[in-house]
Amino acid sequence: QQQVKQSPQSLIVQKGGISIINCAYENTAFDYFPWYQQFPGKGPALLIAIRPDVSEKKEGRFTISFNKSAKQFSLHIMDSQPGDSATYFCAASSQTGANNLFFGTGTRLTVIP
Amino acid sequence: SQTIHQWPATLVQPVGSPLSLECTVEGTSNPNLYWYRQAAGRGLQLLFYSVGIGQISSEVPQNLSASRPQDRQFILSSKKLLLSDSGFYLCAWRDRANTEAFFGQGTRLTVV
Repeated sequence: QQQVKQSPQSLIVQKGGISIINCAYENTAFDYFPWYQQFPGKGPALLIAIRPDVSEKKEGRFTISFNKSAKQFSLHIMDSQPGDSATYFCAASSQTGANNLFFGTGTRLTVIP
Repeated sequence: SQTIHQWPATLVQPVGSPLSLECTVEGTSNPNLYWYRQAAGRGLQLLFYSVGIGQISSEVPQNLSASRPQDRQFILSSKKLLLSDSGFYLCAWRDRANTEAFFGQGTRLTVV
């Protein structure tokens, strides 16, 4: 059972364009929503994260949009660069229980020069 | 600063052979520890987590087991590997006071 659903599976964007990756969840106990970036052969690293008390968080070219009522959140990469080519994972966790992070299935982003 | 070490980086093992992957964390105490497996198109699947020494919880039934003999050491094992155990295995830790998860560099396991 996939706790977090992510789309699309792959994405190709022109340099300078906007990359958008979407995620949805069902568990209303989730209260922490990070995005991780992974380069080939490496472990994922935290990119940006949001809590449900805000609807948007921006760090540089990366923005998370959060819709609590729809139980959806998305990552926007503005002015996409070839160096952004990587696999992106959304995730969610709850402070209750074991505090486990549940990940989406990942999106492979390719930014074409 | 905190660091996480995971080894080996790559491993090729025959079917039926045993497995032992080790992960150690430095610079923190009493972390939550995790083993994930990454397969193409399936994202990061949580296999085991541990909130303390000797405390192991399994998220999915499988051919693998985990142990935490020391506070900052997490081991993934199998007595007899299956072809389906091939994949990219990642160890991670989270500080109880911090929500970010830190991942090791991963182990690419190929069972032949």
